[in-house]
Amino acid sequence: EIVLTQSPATLSLSPGERATLSCRASQSITTDLAWYQQKPGQAPRLLIYDASNRATGIPARFGGSGSGTDFTLTISSLEPEDFAIYYCHQRSSWPITFGQGTRLEIK
Amino acid sequence: EVQLLESGGGLVQPGGSLRLSCTASGFTFSKSPMTWVRQAPGKGLEWVSTISAAGGSTHYADSVNGRFTISRDNSKTTLYLEMTSLRVEDTAVYYCAKRSPAWGPPDNWGQGSLVTVSS
Repeated sequence: EIVLTQSPATLSLSPGERATLSCRASQSITTDLAWYQQKPGQAPRLLIYDASNRATGIPARFGGSGSGTDFTLTISSLEPEDFAIYYCHQRSSWPITFGQGTRLEIK
Repeated sequence: EVQLLESGGGLVQPGGSLRLSCTASGFTFSKSPMTWVRQAPGKGLEWVSTISAAGGSTHYADSVNGRFTISRDNSKTTLYLEMTSLRVEDTAVYYCAKRSPAWGPPDNWGQGSLVTVSS
């Protein structure tokens, strides 16, 4: 099973700041990585697929990068609605897995 | 607009059974692999099961293999999850999600159905 490790567990920032979230895979997954955003009481929303492609309707301030085992989600300038939990997800091999999440909170 | 509506959740005793349904609209259901993902209270996301577009291929997490069965009826655009021998640790919100025909990541999710396993 491929384990995805996200860091940090919690990130405290202010609106307007840049956020950098990390996801590390226990073995290479090429670019089969996605990022999701989840707000309380809501279903996850797909932000990034194939490591660096924005999903439909996702603002340009969200960007993804990486390949192999190390991946990054960057939010260039935080808006109030961006404070949520973010999960990475790999579909490279079964069982597909999720990271444990990074909570992005307002400082 | 893609819509996924789960139903069938509720309270069940340990060892009991439950069947979840997910009714889909707004896309070509018969061309999309479908997935169930669950989330225990206050916890992260856990993949449960995936079924191919035609239904001929299924995959399960080890934690549910042998107890849960995923299926679909493309004529009714409905996905199912039959859950048996339920355990307290199966308590979670269960989400159905569609994947792109190219087996991309889940790109649209339902709002979830709460399953509570308790005596």
